[in-house]
Amino acid sequence: GAGVSQSPRYKVTKRGQDVALRCDPISGHVSLYWYRQALGQGPEFLTYFNYEAQQDKSGLPNDRFSAERPEGSISTLTIQRTEQRDSAMYRCASSLAYSGGGQDTQYFGPGTRLTVL
Amino acid sequence: GQQLNQSPQSMFIQEGEDVSMNCTSSSIFNTWLWYKQDPGEGPVLLIALYKAGELTSNGRLTAQFGITRKDSFLNISASIPSDVGIYFCAGRNYGGSQGNLIFGKGTKLSVKP
Repeated sequence: GAGVSQSPRYKVTKRGQDVALRCDPISGHVSLYWYRQALGQGPEFLTYFNYEAQQDKSGLPNDRFSAERPEGSISTLTIQRTEQRDSAMYRCASSLAYSGGGQDTQYFGPGTRLTVL
Repeated sequence: GQQLNQSPQSMFIQEGEDVSMNCTSSSIFNTWLWYKQDPGEGPVLLIALYKAGELTSNGRLTAQFGITRKDSFLNISASIPSDVGIYFCAGRNYGGSQGNLIFGKGTKLSVKP
């Protein structure tokens, strides 16, 4: 079956521009997570949703970063007024449920590589 | 904030060798996970551990959840070329955000030249 998909796979933008990154979770998955992964590092948590409700945004670096999941399925991570330090791989993951044994296993997408010039 | 120390950072393997890597944490986790990441792909879950002391196998992979809840190891037996990649440990807190997986920096497995 289809896994988590993300688009675009690569995004190059100029400093100061806004970008929107899209995540399409596995169908029926309740929870959706956003991570950022720098080169040579593990993924770093940004925020997550259960259905359409944003449960935790403590990992968002600053108020230029926001995320939404209005219908409890597709999610968009938006970065306003991008800066060079925002360059990274942005990964999305989804899980069937949000608690309970293996049902909260997170399945990761291929990521969006963001480069800010 | 919480830190996960994963070691070794990198290692070279020869086909048939056993491989071992581990993670330690500055605080307690209630779940330990091991992921593998291939180039151009997202991390893929290998093994999940939910109970202190738990020892779980998945084929040639064996992982353990440390009794102190602050560490975990992953062993790969009789390595094969497709084991090459980056392995990440990840932990989830007691009482923390359900979504807040904390990842180690990864162990990169390469083939011995």
